[in-house]
Amino acid sequence: GENVEQHPSTLSVQEGDSAVIKCTYSDSASNYFPWYKQELGKRPQLIIDIRSNVGEKKDQRIAVTLNKTAKHFSLHITETQPEDSAVYFCAAGAKEGGKLIFGQGTELSVKP
Amino acid sequence: EAGVAQSPRYKIIEKRQSVAFWCNPISGHATLYWYQQILGQGPKLLIQFQNNGVVDDSQLPKDRFSAERLKGVDSTLKIQPAKLEDSAVYLCASRLGLAAANEQFFGPGTRLTVL
Repeated sequence: GENVEQHPSTLSVQEGDSAVIKCTYSDSASNYFPWYKQELGKRPQLIIDIRSNVGEKKDQRIAVTLNKTAKHFSLHITETQPEDSAVYFCAAGAKEGGKLIFGQGTELSVKP
Repeated sequence: EAGVAQSPRYKIIEKRQSVAFWCNPISGHATLYWYQQILGQGPKLLIQFQNNGVVDDSQLPKDRFSAERLKGVDSTLKIQPAKLEDSAVYLCASRLGLAAANEQFFGPGTRLTVL
C-alpha cells in the first residue's frame, strides 16, 4: 500500500548548523509533497511544499528537493535557530483527491 | 480568516464508552478530513469528505468509528465503543477543493484519552 518513510526520527544540531530530513514514498502517482511543522501540543502547519514538475524550491532558510525517479524528497533548513525546534512531517499526495500520506515525523532539536 | 475549529479540545473516557468530536472547517472549504495522530506518529487519514459525500474511508474502523457531514459544512466523528488503542489526537483538516494545489489547514485537534 501507500507508504512514506521518514528519517531520521530525531535530529539534534547546534544553532547555526544545517538540518536535513529525508523521505521516500511508494506511490508513483504522488505529485504533491508538503512539509509540516508541529510544535508541542499544537496543530501541524505547512512550511513549504513542492510539486512534481519542480526539482527544488526555496523559501528563505528552508528548501526542499525532489527526485521523482528515486521517489525521494528532502527538507533542508540552514542557519538553524532554537525556534526551529519542533517535529517535522513530510507527506505525499496524489493529484486527485488531495489525500496525504504522512511520514513518521522527525523531532528536531536546535541547541543554543 | 478564521481557522478550522474543533471541540472539545480534551476528552477522557473509559473504555467501552462513546465519544463524539465536532469540526467546523474554514468557510468555503469543500474538502474535509479527519486524521488520527497517535503519540509519536504522523497523522493517519480516517475519512475524507467532499461536500457531504465520502471520498475515502478505507482506513476508518467502521465497526466502531462513524463520521458524517450532513450539510456539507460541519462534521462529527464518533467512536462507539472506545478502546484503549483509540487514545490519540483527532485532527480535522480542510481545503478549498480536491486539487493538489490547495493547502490543507489543520484544526487544533481533540486529545482523547481512553482509560
